[in-house]
Amino acid sequence: GEDVEQSLFLSVREGDSSVINCTYTDSSSTYLYWYKQEPGAGLQLLTYIFSNMDMKQDQRLTVLLNKKDKHLSLRIADTQTGDSAIYFCAESRRGGGNKLTFGTGTQLKVEL
Amino acid sequence: EPEVTQTPSHQVTQMGQEVILRCVPISNHLYFYWYRQILGQKVEFLVSFYNNEISEKSEIFDDQFSVERPDGSNFTLKIRSTKLEDSAMYFCASSVRVGVETQYFGPGTRLLVL
Repeated sequence: GEDVEQSLFLSVREGDSSVINCTYTDSSSTYLYWYKQEPGAGLQLLTYIFSNMDMKQDQRLTVLLNKKDKHLSLRIADTQTGDSAIYFCAESRRGGGNKLTFGTGTQLKVEL
Repeated sequence: EPEVTQTPSHQVTQMGQEVILRCVPISNHLYFYWYRQILGQKVEFLVSFYNNEISEKSEIFDDQFSVERPDGSNFTLKIRSTKLEDSAMYFCASSVRVGVETQYFGPGTRLLVL
């Protein structure tokens, strides 16, 4: 079945870049997503990438996809204290109910 | 900007009681979903719903669970007889099934079963 894994914690200093990594097992994944969850809040869609792309940039966010290695990363440039949150990688396949399979989440802590 | 809303934000219930969690998806969306997140664990898919029927459901979504779209705006999740292990945050999501299938999530309902 599908499985998505992430490292649990990442700590960076304000102003540095953060890189959050994710690996997935389902080779038929069509879409890959990054969601952000702030304490006590819901899931906010940050960005997504189609499986036929290898990079997508959106302001401070850069998503890199290595389909051969089934590896996805999210780079946040100039990380701010407001970026402190849990970041979830998720994947889905076209067809059926389009369910999302989420990773374990990476807790990003931004220190001054 | 349109958003998915959920009520209530918190619900406390006794084991064995029925609960109904409510969601109002984004108005032009056609697919609806429920997920849950037990404290400290992954967000898990429960069920997807399209054209007034279930498209896909997970093993978690057993006979105690049901979903309904009672009118043109609400989407509900009913748990018939709650168990302690149903305590979780329940998220509703919706998407437009045209091309990009990104799902937009509501803020969640925190359910506590005592």
